[in-house]
Amino acid sequence: NAGVTQTPKFQVLKTGQSMTLQCAQDMNHEYMSWYRQDPGMGLRLIHYSVGAGITDQGEVPNGYNVSRSTTEDFPLRLLSAAPSQTSVYFCASSYRTGPHEQYFGPGTRLTVT
Amino acid sequence: DAKTTQPTSMDCAEGRAANLPCNHSTISGNEYVYWYRQIHSQGPQYIIHGLKNNETNEMASLIITEDRKSSTLILPHATLRDTAVYYCIVRVSTNAGKSTFGDGTTLTVKP
Repeated sequence: NAGVTQTPKFQVLKTGQSMTLQCAQDMNHEYMSWYRQDPGMGLRLIHYSVGAGITDQGEVPNGYNVSRSTTEDFPLRLLSAAPSQTSVYFCASSYRTGPHEQYFGPGTRLTVT
Repeated sequence: DAKTTQPTSMDCAEGRAANLPCNHSTISGNEYVYWYRQIHSQGPQYIIHGLKNNETNEMASLIITEDRKSSTLILPHATLRDTAVYYCIVRVSTNAGKSTFGDGTTLTVKP
């Protein structure tokens, strides 16, 4: 299993540009989530999904959109990038039932200038 | 999910046991305690979880007090590679995707 994969690893955007961060998992997990981590801080939940076609907002959803058309993929879209969105973005997945752990991807480091 | 409180930082000598505390005084009966760690800027890595009983795996031991209001993660023989940020999370089993990560404890293992 490849686990949770994220692309790209690094990205630089100009203010106002849009882009999509990709996340995929091959473990047939129902739950997928997006977190952001600012320097020296913990992870904050952006959006999450409990299955294909179902998404919901986390703590810091503004400026981000998600969709879940398949079990495997959960892309995160930045509609109009702002410097405040400079951060490291982590995708995670897990089973929905039972006390299972989350599996995290390696992260995407995004800089908005 | 219940809120957790962890010390900001701790030091440990290489080869000694590292004991990382976590307070979760508002934990509910159906909430589990999970521990993750994050090395450098990598994605967090699961370590261990428990409900009531103490748990042990190849990485660590988890000691949960009888009233479940606090817990301790024990790394029995810390190495330099255990230097990381350690997160204690409390949640119900069905909320895996909504885990709340605080700022964690930065553990520095010193030679």
